[in-house]
Amino acid sequence: GAGVSQSPSNKVTEKGKDVELRCDPISGHTALYWYRQSLGQGLEFLIYFQGNSAPDKSGLPSDRFSAERTGGSVSTLTIQRTQQEDSAVYLCASSPGGSTGELFFGEGSRLTVL
Amino acid sequence: GQNIDQPTEMTATEGAIVQINCTYQTSGFNGLFWYQQHAGEAPTFLSYNVLDGLEEKGRFSSFLSRSKGYSYLLLKELQMKDSASYLCAAPGDSGTYKYIFGTGTRLKVLA
Repeated sequence: GAGVSQSPSNKVTEKGKDVELRCDPISGHTALYWYRQSLGQGLEFLIYFQGNSAPDKSGLPSDRFSAERTGGSVSTLTIQRTQQEDSAVYLCASSPGGSTGELFFGEGSRLTVL
Repeated sequence: GQNIDQPTEMTATEGAIVQINCTYQTSGFNGLFWYQQHAGEAPTFLSYNVLDGLEEKGRFSSFLSRSKGYSYLLLKELQMKDSASYLCAAPGDSGTYKYIFGTGTRLKVLA
């Protein structure tokens, strides 16, 4: 597609369940980012990939969060044993990479944990 | 450390000029970005500064002073549709592209 695609757009789950959020970046973009945005707040960095490797995972809030990227393309963010504080919009962005890498954002996945 | 500071909210009148400031402290620097985010939407790119000075793009301009760790976004001839959050972002670590965002400035444009 022409832009960054994320799915699902909305997810309601029960506390303790696992969820998977998917991101399809713009074709050819080598860098991929995951951010979290709580209501009325700024963007919290979670993780970024350069190709299939993640040089920096320091933003992942706990070991319940993991992410992978395969084939230098699609990425999945997995949250295990969800908690209510995980409720937020999870934004994915991709970038061509390099020193002037403008980030192109998807519309986000809104996660609500009941 | 990595820190980006912006005012939380600003209010301005349609047709006026507003300046949104951003100060940053990061261990490296590969450029500073400004993004616009309307409520319920994804952020969209506005500007990028890597050298000191002013970059003008239509009604929007962005300024950078690397020695002072300071940037501002200048919006001229404000329109109602400019009501949005404006996010400042810079790389958090030297030599990487881990972009850290400020909390954003919510701008309200009044008629």
